Amino acid sequence: EAGVAQSPRYKIIEKRQSVAFWCNPISGHATLYWYQQILGQGPKLLIQFQNNGVVDDSQLPKDRFSAERLKGVDSTLKIQPAKLEDSAVYLCASSQRGPHYEQYFGPGTRLTVT
Amino acid sequence: AQRVTQPEKLLSVFKGAPVELKCNYSYSGSPELFWYVQYSRQRLQLLLRHISRESIKGFTADLNKGETSFHLKKPFAQEEDSAMYYCALSGGSGGFKTIFGAGTRLFVKA
Repeated sequence: EAGVAQSPRYKIIEKRQSVAFWCNPISGHATLYWYQQILGQGPKLLIQFQNNGVVDDSQLPKDRFSAERLKGVDSTLKIQPAKLEDSAVYLCASSQRGPHYEQYFGPGTRLTVT
Repeated sequence: AQRVTQPEKLLSVFKGAPVELKCNYSYSGSPELFWYVQYSRQRLQLLLRHISRESIKGFTADLNKGETSFHLKKPFAQEEDSAMYYCALSGGSGGFKTIFGAGTRLFVKA
């Protein structure tokens, strides 16, 4: 089966600019996750969708981050405006149902904010 | 608060030696525990989960609820085991959140 796709793979922006990441999960997977992984740390869950509804966004900095999952398939994560501390790898993952199932990860987008 | 702790950032062993990567968790309830692995230039992928009680690539992990631990073990390390290993917990008041540890880099020397 095709894996989780993410784009772009790399992005460099200046602080206060905006950026968007795209994720296409594995076909048929109901649950989609966005993680932020800062260098030297484990992935931190930002938001979790079940189909096109938000299940958990308690760690999403909602003043600058937003995410949507249109029609329960693809998802976009946006940062506006970016800060230096947003420099990280942003990982998208999907699973058949909830997080008790195996999560399949995309290659990630490496964001550098200068 | 839910937390996953991996006390070692780096673990270096010789080929053929036993390996134990430690994972301790803090959670009030019955969590699901996982080990994920990331090999060089590859995606993060599931290695094993506690409910399946499998041995994958020679690795096993036993959930010890008394000690709140889920250590990953392999009796004889191989060079191809060199990778980043993350312990993860799924649970939470809503039963939906996944929490990862900071990871342990395993380096198996020839």
